[in-house]
Amino acid sequence: KQEVTQIPAALSVPEGENLVLNCSFTDSAIYNLQWFRQDPGKGLTSLLLIQSSQREQTSGRLNASLDKSSGRSTLYIAASQPGDSATYLCALKGYQLIWGAGTKLIIKP
Amino acid sequence: DAMVIQNPRYQVTQFGKPVTLSCSQTLNHNVMYWYQQKSSQAPKLLFHYYDKDFNNEADTPDNFQSRRPNTSFCFLDIRSPGLGDAAMYLCATSRGGGPNTDTQYFGPGTRLTVL
Repeated sequence: KQEVTQIPAALSVPEGENLVLNCSFTDSAIYNLQWFRQDPGKGLTSLLLIQSSQREQTSGRLNASLDKSSGRSTLYIAASQPGDSATYLCALKGYQLIWGAGTKLIIKP
Repeated sequence: DAMVIQNPRYQVTQFGKPVTLSCSQTLNHNVMYWYQQKSSQAPKLLFHYYDKDFNNEADTPDNFQSRRPNTSFCFLDIRSPGLGDAAMYLCATSRGGGPNTDTQYFGPGTRLTVL
């Protein structure tokens, strides 16, 4: 059974720092992996989707990587801003989407 | 803009009083999903429709039902809400083109409070 873990559950960093969020999974038989952002009390916004055959995807200041052999994905955020404060969730697509519980990110001005 | 719309954004109901949440989409997607998300937890899939085919998750309580009268609309009915059903309910859609490329697009959610 696929299990998805996001550590840490919460992270607070000063504005301007580069940071990495982690997502680990137990079963490498996945179709793709998706990173989402969720603002407090709001819905989910898709940030990046990495296909199983890909190693990384980039969008603006965000870069997501995928290493199936180690069961790990990272979301790199460059030059963090207070507006990046949100909860970041990863989800793996096998037969269904299997979700991590998220990392709550706070960027301090 | 094409999007996923959920109404209402906030819903308050009484214990045991039926409630219906609404989702509509302008993306013309084949698949519509309903998720339940409790505070600080990952979203939990309740069920989804692929066109008119209904797919219920094994552990979704019978208290939760869904209807999809047409491509654009999907409803979540909670027949007798309990205090434990208070949560954010998220609707999502996807093209249904296949698992390799099937990105899900989410609505803003409806926050349900049960008094």
